[in-house]
Amino acid sequence: DGGITQSPKYLFRKEGQNVTLSCEQNLNHDAMYWYRQDPGQGLRLIYYSQIVNDFQKGDIAEGYSVSREKKESFPLTVTSAQKNPTAFYLCASSIGGASDRDYGYTFGSGTRLTVV
Amino acid sequence: QKEVEQDPGPLSVPEGAIVSLNCTYSNSAFQYFMWYRQYSRKGPELLMYTYSSGNKEDGRFTAQVDKSSKYISLFIRDSQPSDSATYLCAIWGGYNKLIFGAGTRLAVHP
Repeated sequence: DGGITQSPKYLFRKEGQNVTLSCEQNLNHDAMYWYRQDPGQGLRLIYYSQIVNDFQKGDIAEGYSVSREKKESFPLTVTSAQKNPTAFYLCASSIGGASDRDYGYTFGSGTRLTVV
Repeated sequence: QKEVEQDPGPLSVPEGAIVSLNCTYSNSAFQYFMWYRQYSRKGPELLMYTYSSGNKEDGRFTAQVDKSSKYISLFIRDSQPSDSATYLCAIWGGYNKLIFGAGTRLAVHP
């Protein structure tokens, strides 16, 4: 079955530590996205990539980094510079371009990150 | 002003009630509208999408767009406990980006 796999489901980070969240898709989608979801604030875009080896900052990119070396993979690193990283992180993918207005995005099941 | 506004709720209704979920938007050029459903600790899934004005029906769900008022709605008829989730509206803003509302948390109690 085609879909998006996020791992791990739960992740605990110590102060000052970098952690990487995995996102893999087998939908042959060109575009991929990372969102952060906090209670009452909806989805906030961190980074997005429309093609391999290219990505753009979203609305809240500070303290995060990404790479897009393969079409299927878009890992997100939460660095120690991110002062309030506790949140639910969602990865999504889409066909890309104008098709997205008809088909939307496909989301993974999310990773819940907690600072301990 | 946010591009998309959505009341976060929570909204609590008895089983069998008709539910109305709403969003307003600011840009009259928007034409493609979607509703996503998100169960607790899961990712959102696309429920319905509509183009321009009018209604679209799918089983117990009806999506409605009023472009003159810049208002979109999702109606759920004969609501079930399994409909308990957060519902997010989303609007295609061009430039390959969907703009999401904050989501409304719905609880349907037996």
